[in-house]
Amino acid sequence: TQLLEQSPQFLSIQEGENLTVYCNSSSVFSSLQWYRQEPGEGPVLLVTVVTGGEVKKLKRLTFQFGDARKDSSLHITAAQPGDTGLYLCAGPLTDSWGKFQFGAGTQVVVTP
Amino acid sequence: ETGVTQTPRHLVMGMTNKKSLKCEQHLGHNAMYWYKQSAKKPLELMFVYSLEERVENNSVPSRFSPECPNSSHLFLHLHTLQPEDSALYLCASSQDLGAGGEMVWGYTFGSGTRLTVV
Repeated sequence: TQLLEQSPQFLSIQEGENLTVYCNSSSVFSSLQWYRQEPGEGPVLLVTVVTGGEVKKLKRLTFQFGDARKDSSLHITAAQPGDTGLYLCAGPLTDSWGKFQFGAGTQVVVTP
Repeated sequence: ETGVTQTPRHLVMGMTNKKSLKCEQHLGHNAMYWYKQSAKKPLELMFVYSLEERVENNSVPSRFSPECPNSSHLFLHLHTLQPEDSALYLCASSQDLGAGGEMVWGYTFGSGTRLTVV
């Protein structure tokens, strides 16, 4: 089973601080996606990483896909209260049409 | 209206009630999904429809019954639910780009229906 483990489960920081959340698996994924879910809303896709070692930047967010394509990280620089949300990683399951495995998520709270 | 719209946003139902959740997408996608989200657990895939044909039923109890009349609409019919079925039910859509549907470039989710079974 291709499970995704996210850490930490919860992270509370002050505005302006940096943070990193992790998504790890013992299995290889062809790609990984990161979503952010705000309270009362559905997850919103932030980025898809496809190539091992790939680094993608989205404003203050930096996403990295591990060389072996088994893990990924999300780093937020100078966090703002608007970054508060549940961060989910997801990867497509092998030989399973349209089926993605999601991690349980990291709840990030950024206080002013 | 654009994106994926789910109604109702909140639903409280008794265990003997019958209700339906509705999902509509205006993105021209050819695949739609139902997911269940419970606190501190990964999203659980319930059903997948591709081109209006159900391609996945992830061992979901028969008290949940999906319906996909066309590529833009998806329903989840509920009957005789249990309190442990209380959760956020998310609808999503995507565009199948692979010949066999292997690669899905991300979901567009609706805002979800918060279901409480009493």
